Amino acid sequence: GAVVSQHPSWVICKSGTSVKIECRSLDFQATTMFWYRQFPKQSLMLMATSNEGSKATYEQGVEKDKFLINHASLTLSTLTVTSAHPEDSSFYICSATNRERPDEKLFFGSGTQLSVL
Amino acid sequence: DAKTTQPNSMESNEEEPVHLPCNHSTISGTDYIHWYRQLPSQGPEYVIHGLTSNVNNRMASLAIAEDRKSSTLILHRATLRDAAVYYCILRARGLYGNKLVFGAGTILRVKS
Repeated sequence: GAVVSQHPSWVICKSGTSVKIECRSLDFQATTMFWYRQFPKQSLMLMATSNEGSKATYEQGVEKDKFLINHASLTLSTLTVTSAHPEDSSFYICSATNRERPDEKLFFGSGTQLSVL
Repeated sequence: DAKTTQPNSMESNEEEPVHLPCNHSTISGTDYIHWYRQLPSQGPEYVIHGLTSNVNNRMASLAIAEDRKSSTLILHRATLRDAAVYYCILRARGLYGNKLVFGAGTILRVKS
């Protein structure tokens, strides 16, 4: 079945540094990718919707200058957490929709655990 | 976005069927009903989805009420590996794949 690869699985960084998370659709083209954040014992919170070749649409309360999203190709979207701080520590998850079947299921990456010291 | 309501948690015995309910009284005619589940420290996993008719796949069955204001995910024989958080989500139809907004979900515990 279709696979979404997310990398890295976990990352530890110092406060003030930037971290890039990659999300790739391995065997399908994804016109749209979604980025979520999840804190311990909470549900997934949608951060932004990323459309190939255009600017991402951010949910209310999510700082677009803090969380930079790039969707340069139909198989790759990246999320960059800029100037990370301890409160940005969270589990980040991407998901993608198959361009050929937009009404079908979403495929999710395995998530990235970010810890900011 | 139309909302869904699920019980916070449910418990089941291993090898027994499990019925996970979901209410979505504000569903629109163009909303699909999706179910995903999530194990700790993993991304969500697709379970099943449907529009109007009941659906079956190798993982589960989805029973949709005639008025579509509620649905039930059925795991026919629960195993310990089915212990997870189950999310019922409405997703509007759209050419570019509309977003999925997660609610709190139901924590399913399976006892051996």
